[in-house]
Parts: sequence; structure tokens; C-alpha cells
Amino acid sequence: AQSVTQLGSHVSVSEGALVLLRCNYSSSVPPYLFWYVQYPNQGLQLLLKYTTGATLVKGINGFEAEFKKSETSFHLTKPSAHMSDAAEYFCAVTPMGGGFKTIFGAGTRLFVKA
Amino acid sequence: DAGVTQSPTHLIKTRGQQVTLRCSPISGHKSVSWYQQVLGQGPQFIFQYYEKEERGRGNFPDRFSARQFPNYSSELNVNALLLGDSALYLCASSWGTAEGQPQHFGDGTRLSIL
Repeated sequence: AQSVTQLGSHVSVSEGALVLLRCNYSSSVPPYLFWYVQYPNQGLQLLLKYTTGATLVKGINGFEAEFKKSETSFHLTKPSAHMSDAAEYFCAVTPMGGGFKTIFGAGTRLFVKA
Repeated sequence: DAGVTQSPTHLIKTRGQQVTLRCSPISGHKSVSWYQQVLGQGPQFIFQYYEKEERGRGNFPDRFSARQFPNYSSELNVNALLLGDSALYLCASSWGTAEGQPQHFGDGTRLSIL
């Protein structure tokens, strides 16, 4: 069965520092990959997605992620953190050729210190 | 354009009761999915509906049911509520069922069971 592991339930960075949120998936066939952000008392907002093609994907708000098949990873990065980036981030996968069920990781809460 | 709308925003029920949650997708979107997000965890897939037919089901008991109407809106029904059903219930819509489509989430219904 597919699974998604997000390393680190909490990540704290200083404003202006690099943001790195880690995501690994388990699948013999690379799935479709997504990163979503959730602000308090809100639903999830899509940051970026990987389906096929270029392995470095750029998203909104300066975020990007790189798909590495050999490492089954899809880590999310942002060169310079802003206070407004403080939120919960979820990595998600949808099986390719296997249905419509989207599987989410447990989430990583990002704290940004002034 | 309006996003995904869910009602009610908050709901308090007691054990054994029944509840109905409602979702209106983005105009033009024909697919609706339901997720349960327990506090501190990622969303868990419950159902996906497309053109009024169930296209996917997660590992939830038969107490959970859903339907989709001709206007593509959807209802999630939960019978015989348990304390463990307390969660944020998220509805997400997408244009179709093509794999890899991102989903657009509503702000959810927070259900509390006393």
C-alpha cells in the first residue's frame, strides 16, 4: 500500500533562512505528488504538484520541490522564509494507474522566528 | 468565482446521533471527495464521487455514507456517532477524474461529539 512519510512534525526556522520540509513516499511506480498548505481554521491550498516531466517543480509563494525517483522523495524548499509562511504543510500522493484515492502525510508544522 | 463551500462550519452532536454535512463544489467541477482530518493528523480519504457515482472509498465503516446530486453538490452522512468521529471534515472538488488532478478544498466542517 502507498504511504507518505513527512520527517519532522515540527520545523522551526528564522525569518530569511532556508526552509526544507522532507517527504518520502513508498511506491514501486512513481505516483502523482503534491504539497498543500493549511492555515489555521482553513482548508488546504495547493502549493505545487508533480505529474510528469521536469523533476524540479515551482509553486506559489516562492516554494519549489524536487522529485527524486531514486530516493522516492519530494522535498519542499524555499530559499528565504517569511513570517507568513508559518502554517501546516502536507505532502500527498495519488497512485498512478491505481485509482483516485489521495494519501496525505501527517503534516509538518512550520514555525518562523523573527 | 466562489470556491468550495461547506456547511455548517461547526457542529456539536452527542454520541449515537446522526449528522449530515454539505458541500458545493467549484462551478464546473464534477468530482467531489470527502476527507476526515483528526486533530494533529493529515486528511484521511473517505469517498470520491463523480457524476453521482461512487468512484472510490477509503477504510471507513458503513456508518459513513455519501451521495452526489445532479448539480454536483454532495452530502456526507454519518450515523451512530462515536467520540472518535470528532474531526474536521473536508470536501474537495476537481474538474474530472483524470489522475493527477489537484483538488480544491473547502474550509471544512468541524464536528465535535460530546
